[in-house]
Amino acid sequence: EPEVTQTPSHQVTQMGQEVILRCVPISNHLYFYWYRQILGQKVEFLVSFYNNEISEKSEIFDDQFSVERPDGSNFTLKIRSTKLEDSAMYFCASSEQVQETQYFGPGTRLLVL
Amino acid sequence: QKEVEQDPGPLSVPEGAIVSLNCTYSNSAFQYFMWYRQYSRKGPELLMYTYSSGNKEDGRFTAQVDKSSKYISLFIRDSQPSDSATYLCAMSLNTGGFKTIFGAGTRLFVKA
Repeated sequence: EPEVTQTPSHQVTQMGQEVILRCVPISNHLYFYWYRQILGQKVEFLVSFYNNEISEKSEIFDDQFSVERPDGSNFTLKIRSTKLEDSAMYFCASSEQVQETQYFGPGTRLLVL
Repeated sequence: QKEVEQDPGPLSVPEGAIVSLNCTYSNSAFQYFMWYRQYSRKGPELLMYTYSSGNKEDGRFTAQVDKSSKYISLFIRDSQPSDSATYLCAMSLNTGGFKTIFGAGTRLFVKA
């Protein structure tokens, strides 16, 4: 069964460093999403992406964040200058159409020291 | 008032019990309603997806949406220890980006 994959599974970084989280969505899916979940808190929407453009973003997704689909298979989330409060589990998801089922990846656990 | 309210539990039931999980919401514009299951340190997995009001059944799971009361429910019949997980309600507007708002999740324990 096709699935969303994410790398790395864990990332530790120093405050102020840039990180890139990578996702490979399901191959025939057209819509891509990033969510985050701070430990013990709820899943929060960050951004949705379609046709090489951001479709919608939350207030969390400020200028420190960017997304990109650098090739036909990868979808990345970049955090330019990490803060302590960026420590969280980051989930990528994809869907075939915008109102269809979103399939989530296993997540990348980011720890900012 | 939070957009989506969900009792975090934990909820502990014996095997075979009927489980009822609920969420309330404040934004009457929500049109898509989902229930996800999340095991510890894993990504959410979609269980049920409903558009607008009504009931939807899939095996042991039934989802109900009451838009007039801004209230959604998930029922699990004949609960099993493998159902032990965190259950997240989620809902979306009919916008281009399908921004999804999640509840805090309810931790469910099903005892054998």
